[in-house]
Amino acid sequence: EDQVTQSPEALRLQEGESSSLNCSYTVSGLRGLFWYRQDPGKGPEFLFTLYSAGEEKEKERLKATLTKKESFLHITAPKPEDSATYLCAVPSEGDSWGKLQFGAGTQVVVTP
Amino acid sequence: KAGVTQTPRYLIKTRGQQVTLSCSPISGHRSVSWYQQTPGQGLQFLFEYFSETQRNKGNFPGRFSGRQFSNSRSEMNVSTLELGDSALYLCASSLGLAGGEQFFGPGTRLTVL
Repeated sequence: EDQVTQSPEALRLQEGESSSLNCSYTVSGLRGLFWYRQDPGKGPEFLFTLYSAGEEKEKERLKATLTKKESFLHITAPKPEDSATYLCAVPSEGDSWGKLQFGAGTQVVVTP
Repeated sequence: KAGVTQTPRYLIKTRGQQVTLSCSPISGHRSVSWYQQTPGQGLQFLFEYFSETQRNKGNFPGRFSGRQFSNSRSEMNVSTLELGDSALYLCASSLGLAGGEQFFGPGTRLTVL
C-alpha cells in the first residue's frame, strides 16, 4: 500500500529561523504531490502541486521541491503567521486523483 | 469565486442516531471527495464522487454512505453512530478526475455522545 511519511512531527522555530519539512513516499509511478497548510479547526488550504522530480514551486516564504522519493517544504525566515500544520498528500493508484493519501503532518510553531 | 461550503459546521449526536452532512463544491467543479480527520488517524479518505457516480471508496464500514446530485452537490450519511465516529468531516472539490488539486471546505465537526 502507498505510504506517505512526514518528518519531523513537530517543529518549533524562532521568527526568522529557516527550516525544512520532509515528505517521503512509497508510491510506484508518482503522478503528483500536494502540499497543504491546515490551521486548527479548519480545512486544509492548498499550497502547491508538484508533478515531476526536479520541480520547484514558491509562494512567499515557502518553497516546495520534489525528488524521486521525497519532497521538501522549505520555510525561509518564518513569521508567527506561518504557524500551522503542513500536510503532504499523493493520489492513490487508479485513474482518478480524488483519493488522496495524506501524511500525518508536521506541526510548525513560530515564536516571535 | 465562492469556496467549498459545508453544512452544518457543528453537530452533536448520540450513539445510535444517524447524521447527514452536506457539501457544495466550488462552482464548475464536478469531483467531490470526503475525508474523516481524527487526532489519532489523521486524514482518511472516505469516498469520491464524479458525475453522480461513486468512483472510489475508502476502508470504512457500510454505515458510511454518500451520494452526489446532478448539480455536483454531495451528501454523506452515517447511520448508527458510534463514539468513534466523532471527527472533523472534510469535503474537497476539484475540476475533474485527474491532474488537479483538491480544495477543501471548512469541515463539519461531529461529536457523538
